[in-house]
Parts: sequence; C-alpha cells; structure tokens
Amino acid sequence: EVQLVESGGGLVQPGRSLRLSCTTSGFIFGDYAMSWVRQAPGKGLEWVGYIRTRSYGGATHYAASVKGRFIVSRDDSKSIAYLQMNSLKTEDTAVYYCTKSSGWSDEWGQGTLVTVSS
Amino acid sequence: DIQMTQSPSTLSASVGDTVTIICRANQNIVTYLAWYQQKPGKAPKVVIYRTSNLKPGVPSRFSGSGSGTDFTLTISSLQPDDFATYYCQQYDSYPWTFGQGTKVEIK
Repeated sequence: EVQLVESGGGLVQPGRSLRLSCTTSGFIFGDYAMSWVRQAPGKGLEWVGYIRTRSYGGATHYAASVKGRFIVSRDDSKSIAYLQMNSLKTEDTAVYYCTKSSGWSDEWGQGTLVTVSS
Repeated sequence: DIQMTQSPSTLSASVGDTVTIICRANQNIVTYLAWYQQKPGKAPKVVIYRTSNLKPGVPSRFSGSGSGTDFTLTISSLQPDDFATYYCQQYDSYPWTFGQGTKVEIK
C-alpha cells in the first residue's frame, strides 16, 4: 500500500523558515518524481513545486509565488521528500500536501498545516 | 502561466443525474489534463489523468474528454459518494496549474 505522510507543519512567524518532510512507503521512491501542492483555508489547490528523479538530474520546478524562497529536495536512501520554506509570508498559510507525481498526482499524503502569523 | 478556468463554480444535482464540468485552458495543453475529487477535510484524489484515463478503482460512471484547450468531466448516474469538489490540473507546461474548482452539491 502506497503511503505518504507529511510532517513538520505548525505555527511560524513571518520571515522565518520551516522544513516539511514527506515520508513514503509502498513504492520505489527513487523511480518517481514528487510534487508539493498547497491549499489555503477555504481556497482551491495551488501547485507549489516538483522534483524529478535522479535519472533526470533531480531537476526542480516551482510556482512563481514561491520561487527563490522554497526548495524541494529528496533523499532516495530514506524515501523522503522535503520542502524547505524560507522567508515565509502570511499568504503561505495553507495545508501542504506531498504527492507522488507523474505530472498528475496519483497519490497524496494527508497534508500538514502551516500557519504563518505573528 | 497557463490559466485553467472551470465552469460552473457550483453545480446542484440529484442522485441519478448526469453532470458535466468544463475546464478550459488559455493555451494548448494537448491532453495533459487531470481531474481530482476532494471531499471536505480530505486530501484530493485523482479521478482521471491524461484527459480520459480512469485511475484504477474509480467507477466507470466517471469519464473525461477533450484536447487542446477544452475539456470535460462527466459523471453519469450521480451517486451520493460523488458529491464533492472537482479540480482540473494541466501538466503540459511549468508551472502546473489548477482550475478554481467546481463544487457538486445535492439539489
């Protein structure tokens, strides 16, 4: 059974940093790209970022709203994807989902809430 | 960025109805489109990928079609479990983008 479990969310002040983790099981992690998608309270889905597999150089892509502030990375030895979030803004408040991705996201974690507030 | 526009924003329907949700892209995305279903407080689930491919386990009453800029998700014989919010997503070009969502509610 494929499982993705996000962790690391919480309350953080504007301008600070936070790192989310996505611990996976049930599939060969290194064979799949991973994405992060977020959802602000009461709002729709927003794609955040994406990391390809090592065979594609681990290339990353980001939404304009987070480019330069967020970094997606992966540790294939641990089957974990990360989202490093720097210079956080109040508008980054959302539930963050990690997904197993082939362009489309075929498996999702349960999400972790990040609240950016002073 | 490619903008995805869904219509309607809200759809009221009854069990047994056939409903259609439209998703339009402001540029050609070929067939790189997925549909997701989300229920309150839950993570989204993919229903259809590459425009018309049903994820295994998804009921056959769901179907998708389209190409280029115009796409549809059709749910035939709506069931109680189908009342949810549906999102389209293009993955033709970065940044990938979602539609704003269509809420299917009980009439």
